[in-house]
Amino acid sequence: DQQVKQNSPSLSVQEGRISILNCDYTNSMFDYFLWYKKYPAEGPTFLISISSIKDKNEDGRFTVFLNKSAKHLSLHIVPSQPGDSAVYFCAASAWNYGQNFVFGPGTRLSVLP
Amino acid sequence: GAGVSQSPSNKVTEKGKDVELRCDPISGHTALYWYRQSLGQGLEFLIYFQGNSAPDKSGLPSDRFSAERTGGSVSTLTIQRTQQEDSAVYLCASSLGGGRGETQYFGPGTRLLVL
Repeated sequence: DQQVKQNSPSLSVQEGRISILNCDYTNSMFDYFLWYKKYPAEGPTFLISISSIKDKNEDGRFTVFLNKSAKHLSLHIVPSQPGDSAVYFCAASAWNYGQNFVFGPGTRLSVLP
Repeated sequence: GAGVSQSPSNKVTEKGKDVELRCDPISGHTALYWYRQSLGQGLEFLIYFQGNSAPDKSGLPSDRFSAERTGGSVSTLTIQRTQQEDSAVYLCASSLGGGRGETQYFGPGTRLLVL
């Protein structure tokens, strides 16, 4: 049973437009969420995080939105650039999970020039 | 190179053999994590080391898996009597401290194929 779901395995967006990557979770105890970006043959790199006390966190072109009632978060990239083409992982943790982050399966984003 | 390094980058082994995967964390990082990513899946937490504390082994899938961290630095993940379902990319990460808010820096991974 997947606790963190990313239902779109892939997404294609035109350069300059908005990319929206979605993530849904089932465990209401999750209170801290992360997004990671992964290029081929490299390890994931941290992108942005959000705590459940917030509903939005912004860092440059990247904004994460959290809807706790819907158990849904999304990552917005505006404007999208070809260098953003990568696999994006959503991850969640609960205060009583120790260091255990639960990761989604990832969404492959392709930004077309 | 100041990043997390892992070796080997690729490993092909026969079913039933033991394998050792190595991780060199960023110098000064006290926390070290092992994950694995099977095909089409997200990262699966395996084990966590923090300083001199007892490791959190809650993610290890079976007793064939073990890990050590010597001198608070280099870590070795050992898989005994490998099975085909062990085929995956094994990722190591380190962070400065062990809190949830600490950024984890990942290595490039070891791609393990069990024939």
